[in-house]
Parts: sequence; structure tokens; C-alpha cells
Amino acid sequence: GAGVSQSPSNKVTEKGKDVELRCDPISGHTALYWYRQSLGQGLEFLIYFQGNSAPDKSGLPSDRFSAERTGGSVSTLTIQRTQQEDSAVYLCASSLAWDYTTDADQETQYFGPGTRLLVL
Amino acid sequence: AQTVTQSQPEMSVQEAETVTLSCTYDTSESDYYLFWYKQPPSRQMILVIRQEAYKQQNATENRFSVNFQKAAKSFSLKISDSQLGDAAMYFCAYRNNFGNEKLTFGTGTRLTIIP
Repeated sequence: GAGVSQSPSNKVTEKGKDVELRCDPISGHTALYWYRQSLGQGLEFLIYFQGNSAPDKSGLPSDRFSAERTGGSVSTLTIQRTQQEDSAVYLCASSLAWDYTTDADQETQYFGPGTRLLVL
Repeated sequence: AQTVTQSQPEMSVQEAETVTLSCTYDTSESDYYLFWYKQPPSRQMILVIRQEAYKQQNATENRFSVNFQKAAKSFSLKISDSQLGDAAMYFCAYRNNFGNEKLTFGTGTRLTIIP
């Protein structure tokens, strides 16, 4: 079946502009995660959505970052007033709903190809 | 907080030989998952293998196997019969078993395959 998709693949923007990054998870996956991969910081967690629960925003680096997940499926990560340090690859992942009785595959996060953001 | 350490920034191996990538982690939890992901130049993070902490048996997936030492908090990846397509960044990752938790990643090991 189709995997996690992300768009755009690459984005170049000027400092101070807003950008939106999109993630389309695997059909049926209720959990969705955003991570950032940058040269200096490695892979870091940004935000997590699980079904209709309030998202875990504990990884967002500043209030310029926000994310939405509409209808429990597609998610958009928005960065306002971009800065050069926001340049990174933004990765999205999804997984099945967690359930005590089901197998380990539900615990596995499947990643999209990422969006490479360059802020000039 | 959990941490994951990969002490080998780069490794290389001759094609068809065996290579082992190291990973150690720190946690106070007893129930968790460990993963190895591969990231080729295409940027796609691909799951290589996973290990449930409550299982004593080491996970294997074809040419890939792990050596999971829970007491030592060590989780190494062995790649047998290395192939050119194995060239990539390899990330070790940890996840608590409290529902859908975030992954904590190591800094990665870049693996080069020598023809």
C-alpha cells in the first residue's frame, strides 16, 4: 500500500517568510509525528498527534512552529517568520493506534521522504 | 530522559563481509522498544529491525541481526554479507512502551561499502 507522503520535497524560502509543510500518513494510521533533522542537532522530535487527543507539542522549538491535523489524517506543519536556523529536513512518520493486545508492528513508526527546507 | 549513543560516526566494510554497528542507550524503564533505521541518500528512513525489550531472543531479519544486551543497555546491529545497497546512515532509536511514544534517536553511523 501507499506509504507516508510529504510535500513539497524541497522548499527554498527567504528569511521572515512563512512556510507550510504537508504530511499524508498511511491510511488507517491514527498516530502522526513530526521530526526535524538538522546538521547540528541530529533527529529531534517536534510534535505528536494521536487520534482526537490533544497533541504533544513538547518538542516544538519556539512559538513560530505550529501544526494541525485535520480530520485525523493529513497534517500541516507551519513555520512562521522563518529563520536560517530553521533550515533542516522535516520528517513525518505515522503508526497504528496503540493497543495492549496487538503486535509490535503497531509500535513501529513509518517515515515519509521528508521535506528539505532551506531558509536564505 | 532517555538517551541513545552511537559512538561510531563512520564505518566501512568490504562487500560480502560482516560489520557491526554499536548502540548504547540509557533508560530507567523496563519495557521499551529499540529500532534500527536506515537512511540512504534519498532521505527516506527505512525500518531495518526492531526489538521488544521483554523478549530475550535477538531479532533477525534476513542478513540483519541484533545483539541485545538489556543489562548492559546495548543494542548492536550486525549486517552479514554486506551489499552495495547497504550503504547509508544507520540510526539507532529508542521508544518507551507507553502507547505511541516519540522516538529518541542516536546521532547515526555512516556505513560505506567498499566494492
